[in-house]
Amino acid sequence: QKEVEQNSGPLSVPEGAIASLNCTYSDRVSQSFFWYRQYSGKSPELIMSIYSNGDKEDGRFTAQLNKASQYVSLLIRDSQPSDSATYLCAVNAMIYNQGGKLIFGQGTELSVKP
Amino acid sequence: DTEVTQTPKHLVMGMTNKKSLKCEQHMGHRAMYWYKQKAKKPPELMFVYSYEKLSINESVPSRFSPECPNSSLLNLHLHALQPEDSALYLCASSAVAYNEQFFGPGTRLTVL
Repeated sequence: QKEVEQNSGPLSVPEGAIASLNCTYSDRVSQSFFWYRQYSGKSPELIMSIYSNGDKEDGRFTAQLNKASQYVSLLIRDSQPSDSATYLCAVNAMIYNQGGKLIFGQGTELSVKP
Repeated sequence: DTEVTQTPKHLVMGMTNKKSLKCEQHMGHRAMYWYKQKAKKPPELMFVYSYEKLSINESVPSRFSPECPNSSLLNLHLHALQPEDSALYLCASSAVAYNEQFFGPGTRLTVL
């Protein structure tokens, strides 16, 4: 079983719609969860961090975390063509005495059609 | 200053060359990371430095040699690379381990 799994893409949504990106993880001890956006040929850009159960909103982005279900999601409201990118879910593995290690999902490619 | 910088942006090297990648951050972060990313794949962790000490080495071949001269700088020394080492090399930093990581723009490496 993969440690972090994301929807296989590509995900295509019309401009103005809500894009929903999902991620499940297997490490029950994980405490930190992140969403990164990566445009083609560029480096990952941190867009959301979430540490406790519930929703966290930042502009058009909402991250949702459910530790009991080991599930984290990202909603993008009013999707724009500029949101077209690959979205990477990352979980910080709690490895004792070894510092932080991000475990990434395979990424979901999002395409927002005008 | 909330940036991680990396030099060079692009690097082409032969299999017998020795080169170095450089990374710098001025955010006062105490954890720094090297990742390798191949096309259509997520970043793959190579090394973690925490308080200037190597804390994780993900069984990376010895032709990659990391160095952390001080808390702001991270180098990756390259020697006798193979064509399959061609990739985007990313540096990241975080306040401390377990915190959110911020990535630099990366170095696109091509090994001929």
